[in-house]
Amino acid sequence: NAGVTQTPKFQVLKTGQSMTLQCAQDMNHEYMSWYRQDPGMGLRLIHYSVGAGITDQGEVPNGYNVSRSTTEDFPLRLLSAAPSQTSVYFCASSRTGKLYSNQPQHFGDGTRLSIL
Amino acid sequence: GNSVTQMEGPVTLSEEAFLTINCTYTATGYPSLFWYVQYPGEGLQLLLKATKADDKGSNKGFEATYRKETTSFHLEKGSVQVSDSAVYFCALSPSAGGTSYGKLTFGQGTILTVHP
Repeated sequence: NAGVTQTPKFQVLKTGQSMTLQCAQDMNHEYMSWYRQDPGMGLRLIHYSVGAGITDQGEVPNGYNVSRSTTEDFPLRLLSAAPSQTSVYFCASSRTGKLYSNQPQHFGDGTRLSIL
Repeated sequence: GNSVTQMEGPVTLSEEAFLTINCTYTATGYPSLFWYVQYPGEGLQLLLKATKADDKGSNKGFEATYRKETTSFHLEKGSVQVSDSAVYFCALSPSAGGTSYGKLTFGQGTILTVHP
């Protein structure tokens, strides 16, 4: 049972480079989201999706793009990497809908990203 | 907006000591409350949850009670073990029926270290 799978686990980029962080889940969850984790700040929501073809911005969306062409995949794109985007990124998924707002989210193991 | 405040860390305890990690929140309506745990190098895992006032969540010897009157969800364990060393996050999910379902708001995290 894979759950939520993130790749890569580690990445080093130079300022201005672009890259895509991959996230896949095999639980048929409708809701998927991306968070970044920074010291002393907990996790902050970047973007989320309530289903295939539907995405929306979270708390800190600037510099990131997402798309959701399938239920399983929710990639996060950094358009032009900046040192301020050095962080640990977590993808999460859960069942969605008004009846499931109290359902826990399932997290991947994270991608540790460094921007030089 | 919604917010979660956790006690400042880090917390260092000896094995078998009593643990309390304070968590208070600000939110409208009746959010669901969660404690997540993050072990070194891993993603977040749900530890326990409570979905309505006076509910008590419990798991692995940890407990937390949803106190609407004090807007709190403090985490407690009667006797900690070395294996409990991790980062603990308090989080809330907005009330059912709203448009913000699934959007977790996290506290800043509390690092717990337990010594033998």
